[in-house]
Amino acid sequence: QKEVEQDPGPLSVPEGAIVSLNCTYSNSAFQYFMWYRQYSRKGPELLMYTYSSGNKEDGRFTAQVDKSSKYISLFIRDSQPSDSATYLCAMRIGGGSNYKLTFGKGTLLTVNP
Amino acid sequence: EAQVTQNPRYLITVTGKKLTVTCSQNMNHEYMSWYRQDPGLGLRQIYYSMNVEVTDKGDVPEGYKVSRKEKRNFPLILESPSPNQTSLYFCASSWPGGSYTFGSGTRLTVV
Repeated sequence: QKEVEQDPGPLSVPEGAIVSLNCTYSNSAFQYFMWYRQYSRKGPELLMYTYSSGNKEDGRFTAQVDKSSKYISLFIRDSQPSDSATYLCAMRIGGGSNYKLTFGKGTLLTVNP
Repeated sequence: EAQVTQNPRYLITVTGKKLTVTCSQNMNHEYMSWYRQDPGLGLRQIYYSMNVEVTDKGDVPEGYKVSRKEKRNFPLILESPSPNQTSLYFCASSWPGGSYTFGSGTRLTVV
């Protein structure tokens, strides 16, 4: 079983739809969870950073972590064509000296006008 | 502006011709890392560096070398490139325990 599993999609939605992106993981030591957005021909950029279980909201984006189920989600409300990108989940075990992020393979999202 | 700068953005080379991809960050980050990204395989770590003169192998180090002589620079060296090293390469840096800042990528084609 891979450490981090992410459905690659592709996912195609109409403008204004609510989008749900998900990752599951197997390592219970993961404590820090991130979502990156990667536009075509660009490097990944950090979108959301959360610690432990619960929800975090930033504008139209909500990150949700359920550590008991080893499941994280990213919700996008009122999706826009500019949200079309690949979304990568990433996670890290605890401890200040631990640097390594483990990434999902990414989900390709297209928002159609 | 805080950033990670990679050069070149695009490179086409021939098998066996040594090349270097440069990476520089201006955030005084201790940690730097190289990834390659391939369709269906996602991001795979090649090498990483915890600090100056401290480097270690990632998940796919074969055919690559790195060096970290200064804190800001972390070049990726392909001494004898082969076609299976055709890929999109990213450099990233971070503070201890922080999120990564990625460069814009280098698309390498080896013919």
